Amino acid sequence: DTGVSQDPRHKITKRGQNVTFRCDPISEHNRLYWYRQTLGQGPEFLTYFQNEAQLEKSRLLSDRFSAERPKGSFSTLEIQRTEQGDSAMYLCASSPQGLAGAYNEQFFGPGTRLTVL
Amino acid sequence: KQEVTQIPAALSVPEGENLVLNCSFTDSAIYNLQWFRQDPGKGLTSLLLIQSSQREQTSGRLNASLDKSSGRSTLYIAASQPGDSATYLCAVRTMEYGNKLVFGAGTILRVKS
Repeated sequence: DTGVSQDPRHKITKRGQNVTFRCDPISEHNRLYWYRQTLGQGPEFLTYFQNEAQLEKSRLLSDRFSAERPKGSFSTLEIQRTEQGDSAMYLCASSPQGLAGAYNEQFFGPGTRLTVL
Repeated sequence: KQEVTQIPAALSVPEGENLVLNCSFTDSAIYNLQWFRQDPGKGLTSLLLIQSSQREQTSGRLNASLDKSSGRSTLYIAASQPGDSATYLCAVRTMEYGNKLVFGAGTILRVKS
C-alpha cells in the first residue's frame, strides 16, 4: 500500500498524559499537512511542512502541540498534558509540489482517533 | 476569512435516484476545490479535484462543477447505490491561505435499498 499511513489508529489516554502520533506520507510527496476533525465537523488545518521545514501553523496549534518532520519524510505530532477537549480525529495528508508552484491534490491517511478520559 | 457551507446537512434517497450536493464558499479567490468521501470513523478519500480554471470534472457516476465567480460547486451522483452512503465533504484551497484546505461540515448521505 503506497498511500498515507498513520499510527496508531486509536489512542485512549488519561488527561494530563502526553501522546505522540506518526504519519508516513506518500513517497515523493514533499508537502505534509496535519488536520483535526471533531464529531460532525469538517477537518480543521493545524500545520504544514514542506520537506523538513514547518512553514505554517494554525492558532489552533497551542503551545501544548508540537509537530516535527526531521528528515523530510515521516512526521510526528505530539500533544503534551492532554485535555478532554483534545479528543478528536487527527488526520495527516500529503501532496506533491506541482509544476510552476501549482497546488495539487491532497491525499489523506486513515487518521488517529484520540480519546482523552 | 474563507467560509465553506454545505447544503443539505443530511440527505436520504432511495437507491437509483440521481442527487446533487451543494457547496458554497465566500472567497472566490481559490486555487482549487476538492470533493471527498468519508466513511464513519475513517479518513478522507479524494473523489474529484477541480482547478480554478476548470468548470467541471467527471469520474464514473460522479460529476463536480465549479462556478468560481458565484462561489458555488455541486457534486452530482448518478444512479445512487447503497454503497454511496457516506459523508461528502468539499474543501477549497484559497489564494490567501494557499497551503491549507478549508472544509465544509459535510453532507451525510444515506441511500436506501
